[in-house]
Amino acid sequence: TQLLEQSPQFLSIQEGENLTVYCNSSSVFSSLQWYRQEPGEGPVLLVTVVTGGEVKKLKRLTFQFGDARKDSSLHITAAQPGDTGLYLCAGRETSGSRLTFGEGTQLTVNP
Amino acid sequence: DAGVTQSPTHLIKTRGQQVTLRCSPKSGHDTVSWYQQALGQGPQFIFQYYEEEERQRGNFPDRFSGHQFPNYSSELNVNALLLGDSALYLCASSSTTGGIATNEKLFFGSGTQLSVL
Repeated sequence: TQLLEQSPQFLSIQEGENLTVYCNSSSVFSSLQWYRQEPGEGPVLLVTVVTGGEVKKLKRLTFQFGDARKDSSLHITAAQPGDTGLYLCAGRETSGSRLTFGEGTQLTVNP
Repeated sequence: DAGVTQSPTHLIKTRGQQVTLRCSPKSGHDTVSWYQQALGQGPQFIFQYYEEEERQRGNFPDRFSGHQFPNYSSELNVNALLLGDSALYLCASSSTTGGIATNEKLFFGSGTQLSVL
């Protein structure tokens, strides 16, 4: 079973600050996805990265896939209270289609 | 266009009982995956159904079983409930092309919160 480790587990920052969340594994993934989940809801897909070294930007969010396709990071610039939520990374195995999720990073942005 | 719908939203059961959770996929999707999310944890893959058959299975005991119907909707059944089965059960739908699921986008429902007392 491929495992994904996310860090930090909890993050509480002030509005306007920058932050980075990390997702690491010893295994190679064919692709990696980032989701955001709010209380009482299911995860919502933010981005999929496929190519090693790939960088994708979604407004103030920047996602990077490691060159070896074993790790990824999510950077948020000038965080806002609306960014508060549980951020999950999920890797798709090189064979098959199951997703392996990390434990999640609970982000709280205080106004 | 309705997204993924799950029912019921909340459920309370006692140890030893059996439960059935239901999921209707997003319109146009033919593949349904089930996940268990314990409090403070990431979702754990239970199994996936495509063409009414279980295609992949995670590390869950046989007490967890499922079914997919011709209209692509799906059920998750859990027998002999344990306290540790208390969790949010998420259904996710996607589309499979030519029998191969690659980097498809998953759409999740809001989940069923199961409490076992």
